[in-house]
Amino acid sequence: EIVMTQSPGTLSVSPGERATLSCRASQSVSSSLAWYQQKPGQAPRLLIYGASTRATGIPARFSGSGSGTEFTLTISSLQSEDFAVYYCQQYNNWPPWTFGQGTKVEIK
Amino acid sequence: QVQLVESGGGVVQPGRSLRLSCAASGFTFGSFVMHWVRQAPGKGLEWVAAISHDGSDKKYADSVKGRLTISRDNSKHTLHLEMISLRGEDTAVYYCAKSLSGSYWDSFDYWGQGTLVTVSS
Repeated sequence: EIVMTQSPGTLSVSPGERATLSCRASQSVSSSLAWYQQKPGQAPRLLIYGASTRATGIPARFSGSGSGTEFTLTISSLQSEDFAVYYCQQYNNWPPWTFGQGTKVEIK
Repeated sequence: QVQLVESGGGVVQPGRSLRLSCAASGFTFGSFVMHWVRQAPGKGLEWVAAISHDGSDKKYADSVKGRLTISRDNSKHTLHLEMISLRGEDTAVYYCAKSLSGSYWDSFDYWGQGTLVTVSS
């Protein structure tokens, strides 16, 4: 099973600032990496797939990078609606499809 | 627009059974792999089960193998999760999710709103 590890656990950021979230895989997942956003009481929403492709309707301030075992999600200028929990997921080696434990982005 | 609507959750005693359903609309249901993902209260996301577009192939997490069964009815655009011998650790919100491209090698582009299963005596 591929273990996904996200850091940091919590990120405190001021609105308008840049946020950088990291995700590490225990073995290579190539570019088969997705990022999801989840707000309280809501289902996850797909942001990024293929490590760097934005999903339909996702604003350009969200960008993804990386391949192999190291990945990054960058939110260039945080808006109020971006404060949420973010999960990475690998879909290269399955089952299981595995998620990271999440990074909470909170208002500083 | 794509919609996934789960139902069937509730409070159930340990050892009992429950059947979840997910009604799909807005896309060609029979062309896509479908998944169940769960989230225990205050915890992260855990993939549970997946089923191929035609229902001929199924995948399970080790933690649920033998107790949970995924199935689909393409004529009714519905996904199911049959749950038996339920345990406290099965308490979670259960989401159905659609594969982006219809392949196992892909992310999950649409999710339902979830249905809460609480296993408690």
